[in-house]
Amino acid sequence: GENVEQHPSTLSVQEGDSAVIKCTYSDSASNYFPWYKQELGKGPQLIIDIRSNVGEKKDQRIAVTLNKTAKHFSLHITETQPEDSAVYFCASYNFNKFYFGSGTKLNVKP
Amino acid sequence: DVKVTQSSRYLVKRTGEKVFLECVQDMDHENMFWYRQDPGLGLRLIYFSYDVKMKEKGDIPEGYSVSREKKERFSLILESASTNQTSMYLCASSFEDPGYTFGSGTRLTVV
Repeated sequence: GENVEQHPSTLSVQEGDSAVIKCTYSDSASNYFPWYKQELGKGPQLIIDIRSNVGEKKDQRIAVTLNKTAKHFSLHITETQPEDSAVYFCASYNFNKFYFGSGTKLNVKP
Repeated sequence: DVKVTQSSRYLVKRTGEKVFLECVQDMDHENMFWYRQDPGLGLRLIYFSYDVKMKEKGDIPEGYSVSREKKERFSLILESASTNQTSMYLCASSFEDPGYTFGSGTRLTVV
């Protein structure tokens, strides 16, 4: 079955710096890769996603890149702000199931 | 916006109790899911349902059951709660396209 690994487990950056979180997956049939942000006491919220026929997608300060050959995808946050502090999860999707990474706790220091 | 509502934010139950966690979505979504979330383990799928009266086991169904009598409601049942079921429980729903809407979660403590 699919296996999603996410790194790093914790990430601390200074406000204004960039943050990058990486995920690898094992099943080449996976075709959809969302990223979720979970703030304290709340459920995960979808922040950006990418499908397997696209290499990169941007939405303001966040972007996701996908390398199908290497089976990895990354979340990039530029100009980080304190409100970006949260736990971020990646996921892969195939055969009607999601497989989640173990999460990255991002701390943006003011 | 789609809303997925979990009836309780925090629950404390005793070992051996039967526990019901309720989830309701308001957008006529076909698919509903129950996950548990534990530090370092991420989200693990317990059960899911693609239609009323339909249920499928996820990756960790042991000790749990579910009920989907109406399209908008998906209940998770802990038949006899144990301390190792202390966790955050997340409900999610989706339509045809992948892409979940999650509820806010229920943090269950079994003592």
